Amino acid sequence: QVQLVESGGGVVQPGRSLRLSCAASGFTFNNYGINWVRQAPGKGLEWVALISYDGSNKYYADSVKGRFTISRDNSKNTLYLEMNSLRAEDAAVYYCAKEEHYVNIAFMDVWGQGTTVTVSS
Amino acid sequence: DIQMTQSPSSLSASVGDRVAITCRASQSISSYLNWYQQKPGKAPKLLIYAASSVQSGVPSRFSGSGSGTDFTLIISSLQPEDFATYYCQQSYSDPQMYTFGQGTKLDIK
Repeated sequence: QVQLVESGGGVVQPGRSLRLSCAASGFTFNNYGINWVRQAPGKGLEWVALISYDGSNKYYADSVKGRFTISRDNSKNTLYLEMNSLRAEDAAVYYCAKEEHYVNIAFMDVWGQGTTVTVSS
Repeated sequence: DIQMTQSPSSLSASVGDRVAITCRASQSISSYLNWYQQKPGKAPKLLIYAASSVQSGVPSRFSGSGSGTDFTLIISSLQPEDFATYYCQQSYSDPQMYTFGQGTKLDIK
């Protein structure tokens, strides 16, 4: 079945780096854009980044621009999120979500289970 | 940036009730509006895309309407499994910079 599985979360000190991964299965990975969405404890959903199907286009929320980098390896069916200069406010559950389209309208139809990032000294 | 505002932020209702949740965009977004359901400790689940199209496998008691700036998610007859938090999300921004509403928590009266 179509599945996304995140990994790489953990406890990290402020200012340090962490790389998240999202392994995809059950669909043709290199046909789809993939998003990262996060949710701070007790808070709502926040879109973080999107990468196009071939990795040629990348988009970021203002809150992470210049610190986070989204990338993908289509040979490994894997998405990444490199997070640098981490701040306390980056602590959250991070989800990867597959992008689908209806005409030109994008939506996220498959989500992973999430991986938790804690930023603490 | 496009801001999305949901109302109410929380809602208490009973099984069998008809419930409406609204979402307003800070500018016109045509039909570029999606709805998600999230239960505690779980990932969000897509309910409605393109304002009114019901995702495969979603019960027919869920429906969506609206275009431009004002949108509504309706649950026609609440079931116990529908108590959750609901989010709207716009995908109109170009370049892509998606935003979610703040969420509406639906709980049992």
